[in-house]
Amino acid sequence: DADVTQTPRNRITKTGKRIMLECSQTKGHDRMYWYRQDPGLGLQLIYYSFDVKDINKGEISDGYSVSRQAQAKFSLSLESAIPNQTALYFCATSDHRGMVNEQFFGPGTRLTVL
Amino acid sequence: AQTVTQSQPEMSVQEAETVTLSCTYDTSESDYYLFWYKQPPSRQMILVIRQEAYKQQNATENRFSVNFQKAAKSFSLKISDSQLGDAAMYFCAYRASYGGATNKLIFGTGTLLAVQP
Repeated sequence: DADVTQTPRNRITKTGKRIMLECSQTKGHDRMYWYRQDPGLGLQLIYYSFDVKDINKGEISDGYSVSRQAQAKFSLSLESAIPNQTALYFCATSDHRGMVNEQFFGPGTRLTVL
Repeated sequence: AQTVTQSQPEMSVQEAETVTLSCTYDTSESDYYLFWYKQPPSRQMILVIRQEAYKQQNATENRFSVNFQKAAKSFSLKISDSQLGDAAMYFCAYRASYGGATNKLIFGTGTLLAVQP
């Protein structure tokens, strides 16, 4: 089984709808992240969480919210989806105890907002 | 602010040949980490190789190696004996190493590598 899973893998929705993307991990990592990938722009950080009680905004958090339900679960919500939120969304995890603290990514969720 | 630049949007290599992907970065920090990630058509982000800035020795992972030039702020990826499975988008990424930081990865815009049979 994959260490970092994301659901759904693909989603098409309409403008104004509320959407939740979910991320789960079995790696036992304490840190979790949500990134957005747009063509030609690489990945940009939306939100990050160092533990269940610590959630922080990234560089492009407007229009998004998150919930860290447990150490292993980190959800991203679009309260009222708009077309320019069409993108590929990645969840990632890392372990603060690791020297390099490298991040491990989920398989991504492709979201299309019509 | 730190930035990462990949100036080659697309590259092509013949199978079994060697190709080098370029990456430059800008930072005022002296201690940091650099990464190359591979993103095949499956979309999965896969860590290929990493380099700690305090290490002078270039990292190597099988057919993948880097040329890390700290003074020039350059971090290129060399793929030897290219295989069809190497075809993917490659992202260079930077992360500062100071404690308590976001651990945020700063990504370049990617290089799409095609491998010709």
